[in-house]
Amino acid sequence: DAKTTQPPSMDCAEGRAANLPCNHSTISGNEYVYWYRQIHSQGPQYIIHGLKNNETNEMASLIITEDRKSSTLILPHATLRDTAVYYCIVRVALQGAQKLVFGQGTRLTINP
Amino acid sequence: DAGVTQSPTHLIKTRGQHVTLRCSPISGHKSVSWYQQVLGQGPQFIFQYYEKEERGRGNFPDRFSARQFPNYSSELNVNALLLGDSALYLCASSPTRLNFLRYEQYFGPGTRLTVT
Repeated sequence: DAKTTQPPSMDCAEGRAANLPCNHSTISGNEYVYWYRQIHSQGPQYIIHGLKNNETNEMASLIITEDRKSSTLILPHATLRDTAVYYCIVRVALQGAQKLVFGQGTRLTINP
Repeated sequence: DAGVTQSPTHLIKTRGQHVTLRCSPISGHKSVSWYQQVLGQGPQFIFQYYEKEERGRGNFPDRFSARQFPNYSSELNVNALLLGDSALYLCASSPTRLNFLRYEQYFGPGTRLTVT
């Protein structure tokens, strides 16, 4: 399984942009990068995903390097409610099925 | 629209017992996956079901089993419970198996299982 590496924790001031890095150097050409977050043991919440182009939606932006070995999730104006564990995931095909391989994630704390 | 629903919310069982957890996917979603999340760790993949058939299985013992019904709801069964089975069990649904790699999964709130 393609593995992702994230810093265990990060802090960000409220109102500032939060930039969460992720390394996925073993990613294959047809594997997508997904970002989820989990707030206080609730179910993980989908944020965004991408293959090789940068993506943006109402929640965040995803910047993927040209070699696809790393990516950055950007929360443009972080609020206190963005405090959560953020998971960078490579979605893996498994003999006709697919699974999300979660790592330890980054615990992001937004400070007032 | 209702999201993924799971029942029960919390459950306490004794070692050796069995447990059944239930999941209803988002309307129109045909794929259901189950994950186990032990405290302090990320979720671990257990099963994926699509069109009532098992399509993928993670590294879990045979004590874990599941099934999917014609209405696409699903049950996760765990036999001979161990203390280490205490975890948050998450269900996720996806709309279709086609172009699987491009579709996100939507997670339910989970069932918190405590084994004593």
